[in-house]
Amino acid sequence: GAVVSQHPSRVICKSGTSVKIECRSLDFQATTMFWYRQFPKQSLMLMATSNEGSKATYEQGVEKDKFLINHASLTLSTLTVTSAHPEDSSFYICSAEVGGADTQYFGPGTRLTVL
Amino acid sequence: GQQLNQSPQSMFIQEGEDVSMNCTSSSIFNTWLWYKQDPGEGPVLLIALYKAGELTSNGRLTAQFGITRKDSFLNISASIPSDVGIYFCAGLKTSYDKVIFGPGTSLSVIP
Repeated sequence: GAVVSQHPSRVICKSGTSVKIECRSLDFQATTMFWYRQFPKQSLMLMATSNEGSKATYEQGVEKDKFLINHASLTLSTLTVTSAHPEDSSFYICSAEVGGADTQYFGPGTRLTVL
Repeated sequence: GQQLNQSPQSMFIQEGEDVSMNCTSSSIFNTWLWYKQDPGEGPVLLIALYKAGELTSNGRLTAQFGITRKDSFLNISASIPSDVGIYFCAGLKTSYDKVIFGPGTSLSVIP
């Protein structure tokens, strides 16, 4: 149980384009999902907390207009990187919280490369 | 701000050896989590600890929630090559707080 999927697993795009990443909880409903960013050899950096049916909560320093988050259902959250630039290249990982358990289950991650 | 420290930062061990790593903080946490991340993959939850003093095992892995609530330990017995990866500890103060991740311990196992 507690399986989280992400799509796509990797994406290469040109500078200036927008990229959408999907995060799905496959066998449970997640009222809360999280989006992280991870640079090589570093820990996970929380970008935002995504709550179903409401606006996401962004961490300090994360531009909400650049990283659009939509949590339209209890099993799907999307992260759209708008007008991507090379500095946005990173490993993006989502996680979902199993209700009341205080534990997060992570997706496999999406490797974004912006040329 | 809140911060977790992990030690060692990296370790190289011989296959079959036991491994011990820890996670410390200056703040009290009420939940400790241990994750393992393989290259190019998302972290996988290994063990979750919810009570001070709790000792929990998952196969060859054993983790403990420190009595002071400011630390946690992870031990791996009889290491094997597939134990290679980065081990992250994570702490949570309350259900309303965000999870704080440590910087990770990189484990390499020499066959």
